[in-house]
Amino acid sequence: EVHLLQSGGGLVKPGGSLRLSCAASGFTFSNYNMNWVRQAPGKGLEWVSSINGGGGYIFYADSVKGRFTISRDNAKNSLFLQMNSLTGEDTAVYFCATGYWGDWGQGTLVTVSS
Amino acid sequence: DIQMTQSPPSLSASFGDRVTITCRASQSISSFLNWYQQKPGKAPKLLIHAASSLQSGVPSRFSGSESGTDFTLTISSLQPEDFATYYCQQSYTTPYTFGQGTKLEIK
Repeated sequence: EVHLLQSGGGLVKPGGSLRLSCAASGFTFSNYNMNWVRQAPGKGLEWVSSINGGGGYIFYADSVKGRFTISRDNAKNSLFLQMNSLTGEDTAVYFCATGYWGDWGQGTLVTVSS
Repeated sequence: DIQMTQSPPSLSASFGDRVTITCRASQSISSFLNWYQQKPGKAPKLLIHAASSLQSGVPSRFSGSESGTDFTLTISSLQPEDFATYYCQQSYTTPYTFGQGTKLEIK
């Protein structure tokens, strides 16, 4: 059974940084693209970033380009999102999801506030 | 960027009703269209992929269709557990854009 377990959310001040993690199990992690999607409170879904299985192809939403970095450690079956220069607009629940979109993590709340 | 225009924003219906939600892409996305169900506090759940393919484990009362750049999610007979918010998403090219969502409420 596929399982994606997220960690790393929390409260951070504007301008601060946070690193999200997504630990995968139940499938051959290195064979699959992975995604990050976020959802601001009371709002819809917004794609954030994607990375291919080997980590060589990476894409970002314009809203996070230059501030967020997606990465993966295939040896540890883990996906990461390093978030820098955070603003209130980044406050959201962040989800990791498989490249085929069929499996999602439980979500982790990131709150950017002074 | 490809815009996904989803309608209606909200919908009131009763148990047993047939409901339809539509999504229009601003350009061709082939059949790279997903439909999700999301309940409060939960992650989205993939219902339909490739416009009309039912995800494993999803009840057959859910179906998807396409006509050009217009896509439709149909629930044939609403069950109590179907009251939720539904989103379409194009997975054709980045940015992978979502529709604005349709909140399905009990009449």
